[in-house]
Amino acid sequence: QMQLQESGPGLVKPSETLSLTCAVSGGSISNSHWWSWVRQPPGKGLEWIGEIYHNGSTTYSPSLRSRVAILVDRSKNKLSLKLTSVTAADTAAYYCVRTFASHFDYWGQGTLVTVSS
Amino acid sequence: DIQMTQSPSSLSASVGDSVTITCRASQTIRNYLNWYQQKPEKAPKLLISGASSLQSGVPSRFSGSGSGTDFTLTISGLQPEDFATYYCQQSYNTPRTFGQGTKVEIK
Repeated sequence: QMQLQESGPGLVKPSETLSLTCAVSGGSISNSHWWSWVRQPPGKGLEWIGEIYHNGSTTYSPSLRSRVAILVDRSKNKLSLKLTSVTAADTAAYYCVRTFASHFDYWGQGTLVTVSS
Repeated sequence: DIQMTQSPSSLSASVGDSVTITCRASQTIRNYLNWYQQKPEKAPKLLISGASSLQSGVPSRFSGSGSGTDFTLTISGLQPEDFATYYCQQSYNTPRTFGQGTKVEIK
């Protein structure tokens, strides 16, 4: 059974960089899948941030493209998310997700990141 | 971007009722439409992919239909564990976009 586990700081200061890691177990990140990050502000809906293929090809949401980077470390079976110049609007639960045939089939439990000084 | 609009935003129903949630895309997405269920403080769970394909382990009281721009999720015979928020999501192109969610509450 595939499992995804997000980790990273729960509190980030405004203007700094949010950095999260997702550890994948029960399967190889190098299989032919895309891996996505999705976020959800408290009490609000879901927002797709972007996705990465195991070969490093990425696609990002246009609204975040200038500030976001998604990377994959095949040797560690992990992916990461970096979001620069954060503001309070970036406060959200961040989910690591496997994309299979265009749908999101495996989700991490999510990690809440609060942007505050 | 393809806009996904769900209706209603919320509904109240009783155990045993049948409910239907609709999702409309701002342009055709063929059948690239997925449905997720989310319970409080939990990650979303995939229920239906490709507009109508029920995921393994999902009860058969859940069903999806539609193509093009208009889609529905039907729950036939609500159970206590079905009270949750439901999201549609298009996977036709990027950016992947979600509907705003429909909260199904107990009447």
